[in-house]
Amino acid sequence: AQKVTQAQTEISVVEKEDVTLDCVYETRDTTYYLFWYKQPPSGELVFLIRRNSFDEQNEISGRYSWNFQKSTSSFNFTITASQVVDSAVYFCALSKAAGNKLTFGGGTRVLVKP
Amino acid sequence: DTAVSQTPKYLVTQMGNDKSIKCEQNLGHDTMYWYKQDSKKFLKIMFSYNNKELIINETVPNRFSPKSPDKAHLNLHINSLELGDSAVYFCASSLGTGGGETQYFGPGTRLLVL
Repeated sequence: AQKVTQAQTEISVVEKEDVTLDCVYETRDTTYYLFWYKQPPSGELVFLIRRNSFDEQNEISGRYSWNFQKSTSSFNFTITASQVVDSAVYFCALSKAAGNKLTFGGGTRVLVKP
Repeated sequence: DTAVSQTPKYLVTQMGNDKSIKCEQNLGHDTMYWYKQDSKKFLKIMFSYNNKELIINETVPNRFSPKSPDKAHLNLHINSLELGDSAVYFCASSLGTGGGETQYFGPGTRLLVL
């Protein structure tokens, strides 16, 4: 069975601070896919990134960066120089190579204070 | 243009009633999904359809019946609503069921059963 754990339920930072969200996953598959989604206060789910298990390169997109470490089964997400608009719940998710069923972590609420 | 749309956005109803939620995607995707997000923000897949065919059916009470009239639409009908059905229901779509296809979510339907 697959499992995704986001141990931090809530993180509060002051604007311009960096914040790192942890994601640890469990799977017996050798091929799998990892995702991050953002859920702002308005409620929609916004896709941020997709990563396959064979690509361990870190990725940077603007102020967002992701650190994938297969050895520790982690796919952590860092927001650099946080802004108030980054306040949201962030979900890490895992998908098998077939069937495309997403298993979500419990989410981490990020509150960025001005 | 909205990629994945759901109607209604809010639904308030009495216990025992029957209600439907509609979902449409204009992305040209073959696969559509229903997810339930409970009051603790936990997201869980309910159903998935690929080209009008049911491919994922999680352990959901049979009061929930999905229907896909065509590959751009996936509706969710709920019979005999119960208090525990109160949640946000998200529709999503992906290109196909191949490994790790990115799922794009609709805005959600907030259902409140009184």
